[in-house]
Amino acid sequence: QKEVEQNSGPLSVPEGAIASLNCTYSDRVSQSFFWYRQYSGKSPELIMSIYSNGDKEDGRFTAQLNKASQYVSLLIRDSQPSDSATYLCAVTPHSNYQLIWGAGTKLIIKP
Amino acid sequence: GAGVSQSPSNKVTEKGKDVELRCDPISGHTALYWYRQSLGQGLEFLIYFQGNSAPDKSGLPSDRFSAERTGGSVSTLTIQRTQQEDSAVYLCASSWGSEQFFGPGTRLTVL
Repeated sequence: QKEVEQNSGPLSVPEGAIASLNCTYSDRVSQSFFWYRQYSGKSPELIMSIYSNGDKEDGRFTAQLNKASQYVSLLIRDSQPSDSATYLCAVTPHSNYQLIWGAGTKLIIKP
Repeated sequence: GAGVSQSPSNKVTEKGKDVELRCDPISGHTALYWYRQSLGQGLEFLIYFQGNSAPDKSGLPSDRFSAERTGGSVSTLTIQRTQQEDSAVYLCASSWGSEQFFGPGTRLTVL
């Protein structure tokens, strides 16, 4: 059974520090990897997609993918209280296929 | 451009009544997904439509749940004889490739 695992948290990080969120997946043929942010009472919002090994940076966000070790991480630099949310990791073996979702990590940024 | 829209945003119903939830996907997106999210929980996959293919109904929790997608666009999720455990937020997402984009959700409360 395909699985995506995340630490449920909460992960508490002081404002201005780097928040590091991790996700592992079981299906070795997974090809596409996504991070979604979900604020309380809102729907998930796509913030990062990554498809190849290495790092992908977008503003304060960096996604890191290591297919050999089957993990993907999200780094948030200069964390702000507005980054406080639940972060969902999702994985798919190929395009036009439904995503396999992690349960999410709750992140709290303390001022 | 317009995102995914869902209606109603809130629905309160009595136990035993039928409800219909509507989803309008992003124009041109071939795939449409329904999820359910109970308070404080992760995403629960319900059903997946891809183009003209037969839908993947593997996530529907009981035969009280059904969904259709007319003309490859608008989708309706129907819950018959609602139960209190059906209370949740019902989320719709659409995609062209793997990246899913969510609507705002319908909050269903069964009294």
